[in-house]
Amino acid sequence: DQQVKQNSPSLSVQEGRISILNCDYTNSMFDYFLWYKKYPAEGPTFLISISSIKDKNEDGRFTVFLNKSAKHLSLHIVPSQPGDSAVYFCAAADSWGKLQFGAGTQVVVTP
Amino acid sequence: DAGVIQSPRHEVTEMGQEVTLRCKPISGHNSLFWYRQTMMRGLELLIYFNNNVPIDDSGMPEDRFSAKMPNASFSTLKIQPSEPRDSAVYFCASSFSSDDSSYEQYFGPGTRLTVT
Repeated sequence: DQQVKQNSPSLSVQEGRISILNCDYTNSMFDYFLWYKKYPAEGPTFLISISSIKDKNEDGRFTVFLNKSAKHLSLHIVPSQPGDSAVYFCAAADSWGKLQFGAGTQVVVTP
Repeated sequence: DAGVIQSPRHEVTEMGQEVTLRCKPISGHNSLFWYRQTMMRGLELLIYFNNNVPIDDSGMPEDRFSAKMPNASFSTLKIQPSEPRDSAVYFCASSFSSDDSSYEQYFGPGTRLTVT
């Protein structure tokens, strides 16, 4: 069963605008959430994370929001840049550190 | 600092052959994970080790798959015999796990396996 879901397989956004990526999860035992970015022919690279005790974490152009009651998190990228074009994966960690990944969202930033 | 190192980067083999994928985790990390990525199933965890001990191998698809971690700096994932449906990209990742761990895993570049 897919416990982490990214329902948008793709997102196109203009350079300079905001990119918003969404992720939903079903298991209330997840206590840590992460976003990874992946370029073709490379491994996923860690981008930003958030603990379940927080509702927001910001790092430069990247902000992750967590709504525990809705079991929903989102990643905001502002402003979007051409180098942000990649596949973004949402992941949720259990207390053992096991990650479950969503299917990914392909982001294309257009000039 | 060197990241997670995987070899080979590409492997093409014939059905029935044995395949061994290798991984060197980041020095100092105590957890190691093997993942498989396919179009159909996405990124799925196969097995993970903590302090060289296999903790959870529930993701290993069948007995044809085995993984070892003889020491803190090396792990292998073996498929014997290989089948065309094993064709995928296999990633190794490592992390440092502690009581206040942030659970961040660092991935290698992956091995693209093609079984013909």
